[in-house]
Amino acid sequence: SAVISQKPSRDICQRGTSLTIQCQVDSQVTMMFWYRQQPGQSLTLIATANQGSEATYESGFVIDKFPISRPNLTFSTLTVSNMSPEDSSIYLCSVGFGQYEQYFGPGTRLTVT
Amino acid sequence: AQSVTQLDSQVPVFEEAPVELRCNYSSSVSVYLFWYVQYPNQGLQLLLKYLSGSTLVESINGFEAEFNKSQTSFHLRKPSVHISDTAEYFCAVSRSNDYKLSFGAGTTVTVRA
Repeated sequence: SAVISQKPSRDICQRGTSLTIQCQVDSQVTMMFWYRQQPGQSLTLIATANQGSEATYESGFVIDKFPISRPNLTFSTLTVSNMSPEDSSIYLCSVGFGQYEQYFGPGTRLTVT
Repeated sequence: AQSVTQLDSQVPVFEEAPVELRCNYSSSVSVYLFWYVQYPNQGLQLLLKYLSGSTLVESINGFEAEFNKSQTSFHLRKPSVHISDTAEYFCAVSRSNDYKLSFGAGTTVTVRA
């Protein structure tokens, strides 16, 4: 398994600003993902964070709104840009490990006012 | 693309009673199936998975799930629940040989004494 940490754990931000969320893993992993969990809803995959290249975004998510960095095999960041109240969610990073398992970080609870 | 339907959004159950959480999926290709659990104020944890082989899979804390290809289902069961099983349970699916997950809407299980 893998131990995953995220910073910050929660934040309250004003609309129009940006927040960068960090994800750190205690071992090198190839596959790393970012998900969003909107209030009362399930998880939706935002993108796959690729080491050394641009992230691969799912339908409905764009790089200008959710830029992602993956400088090495243990770290990634997700930025939520030009925030609006609709961006209020829990953002989670996860890593692919072993036999197609995913391990999730504790999440970052974002509230946009 | 894959999709997952969890048929029950809320399942109240008394302690020591059995519980079944229903999950159906749709996919045009072979899939892997997962159940994740999210305890109150905690992160998402893998409960059990089906990749191949025996269609009945078990977790260490007494849950089991059965893959039924003809009915495209992966229902989760426990013969006797504890208060500590109170949590939200998510069914998820990925294409075979792929890590990317599609999640169901989740089922909230509340165990009462």
